[in-house]
This record gives sequence, C-alpha cells and structure tokens, in this order.
Amino acid sequence: KNEVEQSPQNLTAQEGEFITINCSYSVGISALHWLQQHPGGGIVSLFMLSSGKKKHGRLIATINIQEKHSSLHITASHPRDSAVYICAAWPGNQFYFGTGTSLTVIP
Amino acid sequence: KAGVTQTPRYLIKTRGQQVTLSCSPISGHRSVSWYQQTPGQGLQFLFEYFSETQRNKGNFPGRFSGRQFSNSRSEMNVSTLELGDSALYLCASSLRIGVSQETQYFGPGTRLLVL
Repeated sequence: KNEVEQSPQNLTAQEGEFITINCSYSVGISALHWLQQHPGGGIVSLFMLSSGKKKHGRLIATINIQEKHSSLHITASHPRDSAVYICAAWPGNQFYFGTGTSLTVIP
Repeated sequence: KAGVTQTPRYLIKTRGQQVTLSCSPISGHRSVSWYQQTPGQGLQFLFEYFSETQRNKGNFPGRFSGRQFSNSRSEMNVSTLELGDSALYLCASSLRIGVSQETQYFGPGTRLLVL
C-alpha cells in the first residue's frame, strides 16, 4: 500500500496547455512538498505546503487537508517544464514519496 | 553561494564491501537529509541530521548509517553492500531543522553501482 499516490503517471501536453498533476495521501501530514526532477537527476524543491495555496510564476500548488489531496498546476506550459514531478508527504517523522509524474511538453 | 556538493559523483563497488558518501551543505545550513532513489522504489527517505544528531529516520536496515560533523558536513555509510543498494543517493540541506517546514536544497547525487 502506498501512502502517497500520484496521477497521472505520464502526461504529454502541447506547449501553452494548462496542466494539473494530482497527489493523494493516506497519512496525516504536517507538510507536503512538490519536487521537480530533470533528466540527469537534479532535484529542485518547488513548494512546501501545509494549507491553502501557493503560487510561483506559472506554477500553483494547492492542498486540501480534509480531503488529503494536493494538486500542482502549470499554466501556459513550456517545453522547459518537461520533467518528473514528485509529491512528498511528511507526517512528522519521515517522508513518503509519490512515484512521480513524467511530464513532456511538446513545442 | 555554492550549492550542495556530494562526493564522489560515481562509484562502483562489489557485494560485501562498504561505502562512504559525503555531503557538504550550503554554507550556513545546519540540517542535512539523505535519500535513496531507485527505478523500482523511487525516492525514499533515509535520515535527517541536525546539530550532529540524527533527528528522523526512514525504514532502512541498520547497514545504512550516517553522521554529521560540527561544520554540518555529513557522511553516509552503507556496510555489507547488496546488489539492491545500487541507486542514486541524494542529500539535501536546509537552514534549520525540520524537513517538513524548510525548503530542501538538493545536491547532484552520488550514483552507486554494486556489482
């Protein structure tokens, strides 16, 4: 049983499209992180959420604590957004990671 | 400011050997956490260190251990290597303790191959 589930696993979009990646978790959390991993392995932390919504440029992350669900939105997608997006739940003592969503944005 | 650095970047070992990986956090950061990434299991949390003390630990056997020095640099050791330990090992640093409450800055990783 996975504590964190992501959907979809793979996503292909045309440049300019609005993209949504979903993350559901079964553990009680104190925070949820969204990470971006580019080919080659480098990981960048995009957001850390404990409630509500955060926005950074074209990226928006939301979390609904009651429903144990978070979404990552990318507006006006661009080929440089192509990467694997991973959500990670922190219930207080360790991270539980989703399996990642592989996004490809086609010009 | 220099980012998180990890050494070595690539490593080949044989079963039964042990290995030590090093992580230097961003200057001023006091928390270091370690992660294992494999194609089969994805990313998994190993442990977090702050002020030379292990604060949180994932579900890994005792063969995986770590330590943190007074300058916040951290090492991770894996003893009696198994084929399944082949992975990308990542470390991340943050300013203060609290993986949950702090933005994590990741290093480039050490790719370990166990033959």
